[in-house]
Amino acid sequence: EAEVAQSPRYKITEKSQAVAFWCDPISGHATLYWYRQILGQGPELLVQFQDESVVDDSQLPKDRFSAERLKGVDSTLKIQPAELGDSAMYLCASSLRTGGSDTQYFGPGTRLTVL
Amino acid sequence: AQSVTQPDIHITVSEGASLELRCNYSYGATPYLFWYVQSPGQGLQLLLKYFSGDTLVQGIKGFEAEFKRSQSSFNLRKPSVHWSDAAEYFCAVGAVSNDYKLSFGAGTTVTVRA
Repeated sequence: EAEVAQSPRYKITEKSQAVAFWCDPISGHATLYWYRQILGQGPELLVQFQDESVVDDSQLPKDRFSAERLKGVDSTLKIQPAELGDSAMYLCASSLRTGGSDTQYFGPGTRLTVL
Repeated sequence: AQSVTQPDIHITVSEGASLELRCNYSYGATPYLFWYVQSPGQGLQLLLKYFSGDTLVQGIKGFEAEFKRSQSSFNLRKPSVHWSDAAEYFCAVGAVSNDYKLSFGAGTTVTVRA
């Protein structure tokens, strides 16, 4: 069964450092999502791609976060500089298309700890 | 404002007992409804979803959920819980008014005691 891949699974960094997370969606999935999940809360959407284009980044803190999906396949989420409040699980998900009826499939996530 | 509410933060249930997790939403039109499960340190796995049609939906792992429009609810049930069902459960909602972006509830943690 195809899965969404993410790396690294765990990342510990010091504040003010740069971190990057990678996501490889299920093959053929045009839509890719990055979510942030703070401990004890549900995931919150950071950015959504349709192929290589950003569809929604309204909740992405653009002063420090950036995301790209250059060839419309895999994607990278970067934080620079990291702050203590960025400690969270970062989840990537993909779906065939954008739309309410398309199921989003989630990867295992990257657990970020900022010291 | 649109919202998804899971009233129970934590539920403890005995193995073999039944389980019901509550989910309420506030959206104008009938939304698309999902239940996901997350084991510790893992990503989210889809249990079931409702788009239209029969309001009782069957999912994986023996779970089912019922959409009740009059109550704006989509509660998840399982007749007999197994120890492996211990996890966190999230209700999620997508609506045309929000371009079908998923909004998640805060989650319910289920503990299963022997």
